[in-house]
Amino acid sequence: ILNVEQSPQSLHVQEGDSTNFTCSFPSSNFYALHWYRWETAKSPEALFVMTLNGDEKKKGRISATLNTKEGYSYLYIKGSQPEDSATYLCAFPYDKVIFGPGTSLSVIP
Amino acid sequence: DGGITQSPKYLFRKEGQNVTLSCEQNLNHDAMYWYRQDPGQGLRLIYYSQIVNDFQKGDIAEGYSVSREKKESFPLTVTSAQKNPTAFYLCASSWDTSPNYGYTFGSGTRLTVV
Repeated sequence: ILNVEQSPQSLHVQEGDSTNFTCSFPSSNFYALHWYRWETAKSPEALFVMTLNGDEKKKGRISATLNTKEGYSYLYIKGSQPEDSATYLCAFPYDKVIFGPGTSLSVIP
Repeated sequence: DGGITQSPKYLFRKEGQNVTLSCEQNLNHDAMYWYRQDPGQGLRLIYYSQIVNDFQKGDIAEGYSVSREKKESFPLTVTSAQKNPTAFYLCASSWDTSPNYGYTFGSGTRLTVV
């Protein structure tokens, strides 16, 4: 059974702090790695689709890196704002897409 | 604006009843998916459909049924055989099932058995 793990499960940061969290996935049979942001009472929103080892994607203050050889991806948020408060999901497409349990981020004003 | 519409937002079901959750998309996506979320757990795949009139079971299909008669629509029926249906249900779509395409999600339906 393939497993996608995310850490930490939750974190609280002060406004203005930068933060990062991790998605771990099986390093064999890699096709892509997705990141989603899920704000409370809203739909999950796609942030990045990453396909190449060493890939680095950026969207505003959020960026992600990918290491397919060791099976992890980091999501970074620079200068966290209250509107960044959300659950961040990673997803690993294999036979079917496997979602990690998410990292819940709370940014304290 | 294109997107996915799920209805209703909240649904209450009595024991032994079947209920149908609606999912409609106007994105012209070929692939559609149903996921279930339980507290403290990741999204789990119930069913998915790659094209009209075709669908496959996901990891937790028992007690559920789907149809895909139109490209835009992928309703999910929660049958009385589903022993623990209380959960949050998310519908999603993508251009196809290629791993290079991310998903567009609906806003979800929260089903409660009363």
